[in-house]
Amino acid sequence: QQQVRQSPQSLTVWEGETAILNCSYEDSTFNYFPWYQQFPGEGPALLISISSVSDKKEDGRFTIFFNKREKKLSLHITDSQPGDSATYFCAASWYGGSGNKLIFGTGTLLSVKP
Amino acid sequence: AQTIHQWPVAEIKAVGSPLSLGCTIKGKSSPNLYWYWQATGGTLQQLFYSITVGQVESVVQLNLSASRPKDDQFILSTEKLLLSHSGFYLCAWTGRRNTLYFGEGSRLIVV
Repeated sequence: QQQVRQSPQSLTVWEGETAILNCSYEDSTFNYFPWYQQFPGEGPALLISISSVSDKKEDGRFTIFFNKREKKLSLHITDSQPGDSATYFCAASWYGGSGNKLIFGTGTLLSVKP
Repeated sequence: AQTIHQWPVAEIKAVGSPLSLGCTIKGKSSPNLYWYWQATGGTLQQLFYSITVGQVESVVQLNLSASRPKDDQFILSTEKLLLSHSGFYLCAWTGRRNTLYFGEGSRLIVV
């Protein structure tokens, strides 16, 4: 019920290409979806996020597309750079009440080849 | 600006030995604090959270305990380590919309 799934598990693209990372969820009460970027040996860092009232969020080369009806999101990284090589986690949360619940997906390991 | 610091950066410990990991946050009063665990190549599993001093809620049972002795400090510990405790431990606090901000993490290898 509260699972967040990501695909693919790993992805390799060439420098300059667009990387597409997918995420889906089951619980329709989720209303906030942050994406985290994690480099080896470091803590995850917030990359970009979207609320359920929007269907698109853009920040530079990073864009989230959100389909509420299908409970799916995707993160598009345009003009991928070798420095983008990292693990990306999609997460789902709900806010507005007491307690804090953030469910992380299984992650996508992105490798960008020069 | 808020900063979060974890210690130690890394530890190699023997099975059955005790463990204490710490986390300090500066620049944020009365933060909600969290401990997460991450296996190598794995997802992030929430272990504990605390909304105030002296109050800690357990999310999963992993033979670990946590304490909040001060407003800006969160401690993770166990008296007897298991091999399964190996991994990456992350402390975090929440900002707006439950957004998590993580520390640098503590790598634990149990041998």
